[in-house]
Amino acid sequence: GAVVSQHPSWVICKSGTSVKIECRSLDFQATTMFWYRQFPKQSLMLMATSNEGSKATYEQGVEKDKFLINHASLTLSTLTVTSAHPEDSSFYICSAKKSTDTQYFGPGTRLTVL
Amino acid sequence: AQSVTQLGSHVSVSEGALVLLRCNYSSSVPPYLFWYVQYPNQGLQLLLKYTSAATLVKGINGFEAEFKKSETSFHLTKPSAHMSDAAEYFCAVSDARQLTFGSGTQLTVLP
Repeated sequence: GAVVSQHPSWVICKSGTSVKIECRSLDFQATTMFWYRQFPKQSLMLMATSNEGSKATYEQGVEKDKFLINHASLTLSTLTVTSAHPEDSSFYICSAKKSTDTQYFGPGTRLTVL
Repeated sequence: AQSVTQLGSHVSVSEGALVLLRCNYSSSVPPYLFWYVQYPNQGLQLLLKYTSAATLVKGINGFEAEFKKSETSFHLTKPSAHMSDAAEYFCAVSDARQLTFGSGTQLTVLP
């Protein structure tokens, strides 16, 4: 199997607070994990690529100081949305690479910032 | 650079009818191609993938896709649609570094 989990599945927070989302590969080791953002009725947009033990690589236009990514182990990556604002409300999905060609996706986290 | 075009943001078929979801790609290197399915408020589930082996790829839930290099296409088909197939389908191309997704096709299955 290739199971990826995310926690929490949904979160509501107040504007200005920070929120941490965890992504875990449950039955395999993932040297690379990815974080995506998906707006309603739209496709997935890659935010950043996370490699275990090194700094994440952010896509153009993604604020690295706002979206902090930590890949502390081969099975865990975290995304922290700092000083969240309503425009950060979205569906965040992580994925983990099991082999050189295939990404397996988590179930997503729905973030709502009030 | 790589890109994916999915023709038809919405496709409706009757239950039992053929499903055809179109995907065309552009890639500067031999591509890896994928189809993923997404149910409401869920992540993406891998349906099938092409990685330069057989050009006709069989996936889960009765889906298959054929890689046609001359047409730069990777269309997804299923002979007989089921109500449970109603979902959003994404085609994606990989250059081994990252995935690039198409805009998605919403499949509706009519009773």
